[in-house]
Amino acid sequence: GQQVMQIPQYQHVQEGEDFTTYCNSSTTLSNIQWYKQRPGGHPVFLIQLVKSGEVKKQKRLTFQFGEAKKNSSLHITATQTTDVGTYFCARVTSGSRLTFGEGTQLTVNP
Amino acid sequence: AAGVIQSPRHLIKEKRETATLKCYPIPRHDTVYWYQQGPGQDPQFLISFYEKMQSDKGSIPDRFSAQQFSDYHSELNMSSLELGDSALYFCASSPRAPGDGYTFGSGTRLTVV
Repeated sequence: GQQVMQIPQYQHVQEGEDFTTYCNSSTTLSNIQWYKQRPGGHPVFLIQLVKSGEVKKQKRLTFQFGEAKKNSSLHITATQTTDVGTYFCARVTSGSRLTFGEGTQLTVNP
Repeated sequence: AAGVIQSPRHLIKEKRETATLKCYPIPRHDTVYWYQQGPGQDPQFLISFYEKMQSDKGSIPDRFSAQQFSDYHSELNMSSLELGDSALYFCASSPRAPGDGYTFGSGTRLTVV
């Protein structure tokens, strides 16, 4: 199908370590969005990428869109306990629905 | 800034009962979406409305129906509830060009016993 595959499913890090989650698609993506969902919370929009090779930064977060627009990554530098949550990539598909990846659940040990 | 408002926050129903979930989107957002999220799962798209008309339909059971009203609020009606319907139900809204992303409500946690 048109699912985006996201890895890893879980990631445990020590506070201060870096973290990366990856999204891969077998088909070219017109766009990719990233969301963060805190435990017990709702998805919160982080960013949208639309251009081939695009790189965007938000403080310690770096988002990349692959040259072929088939993959994307989110990298967090020097994780903090406030980074705990599940990070989802998502694509906007026909009818403007969001189709989510499976998510990467990040835990940060203080 | 106003967010997406969902009610109720929690709902407990018995099997075969009916539930109604409400969503008030951000003003001037013209599209409303409903998602279902099971434990440890990603949100699954159910249905959406653009300008009060159904615009897209996902994996929504026939027992569920939804509509958007003249004031743009939306309701998800769920009948003949089953244990497997226990989940978080999110409503989201977006402007026509969702470059700023979709705004999700805090969700309704439905428990069917």
